[in-house]
Amino acid sequence: DVKVTQSSRYLVKRTGEKVFLECVQDMDHENMFWYRQDPGLGLRLIYFSYDVKMKEKGDIPEGYSVSREKKERFSLILESASTNQTSMYLCASSSGQETSPLHFGNGTRLTVT
Amino acid sequence: GQNIDQPTEMTATEGAIVQINCTYQTSGFNGLFWYQQHAGEAPTFLSYNVLDGLEEKGRFSSFLSRSKGYSYLLLKELQMKDSASYLCAVMDSNYQLIWGAGTKLIIKP
Repeated sequence: DVKVTQSSRYLVKRTGEKVFLECVQDMDHENMFWYRQDPGLGLRLIYFSYDVKMKEKGDIPEGYSVSREKKERFSLILESASTNQTSMYLCASSSGQETSPLHFGNGTRLTVT
Repeated sequence: GQNIDQPTEMTATEGAIVQINCTYQTSGFNGLFWYQQHAGEAPTFLSYNVLDGLEEKGRFSSFLSRSKGYSYLLLKELQMKDSASYLCAVMDSNYQLIWGAGTKLIIKP
């Protein structure tokens, strides 16, 4: 079974802090994604990556950056956290075929105060 | 714009059948996914439809009509563990997923 592991379940950070969210998958998947999930809204794509050292902006990349130095690891960085980035962050991975289903981590609930 | 609509919340009784609808308007279509998400947990894949018709997987079935921009997820013999949110997502012409806000299903004894 595919396992996608997010380093933290809960994080509390202060406004202006730099925040790192880590995600690791163990199935040699090419594709990795970062979403945020907010009540009443569908999942919104922040960034995605189809290969090592490759990244593409999703629908809401502002205020975020990513790093993919190794195939199994995809990191989301909040350069200067703001209160409107308080959210549930979900990492996902999938194999190379475009219509492959996503495998999600359990999420990181980030609160910015 | 691209849009996915599904009911916010539904309630059903244990042992019964429930149908969760999803309508969509997207730029192109490369398939529709259903995911289940229990509270506080990761979404998990349930089904993928790209051709019209009904696909059955045990107690769960998923239906697609591309001409109507419509899908439903049918859950039979409901169990308490089926209480969860059900997410509908459509893959557009660029192979990007467009997500609905999810339907919270409450199962009562």
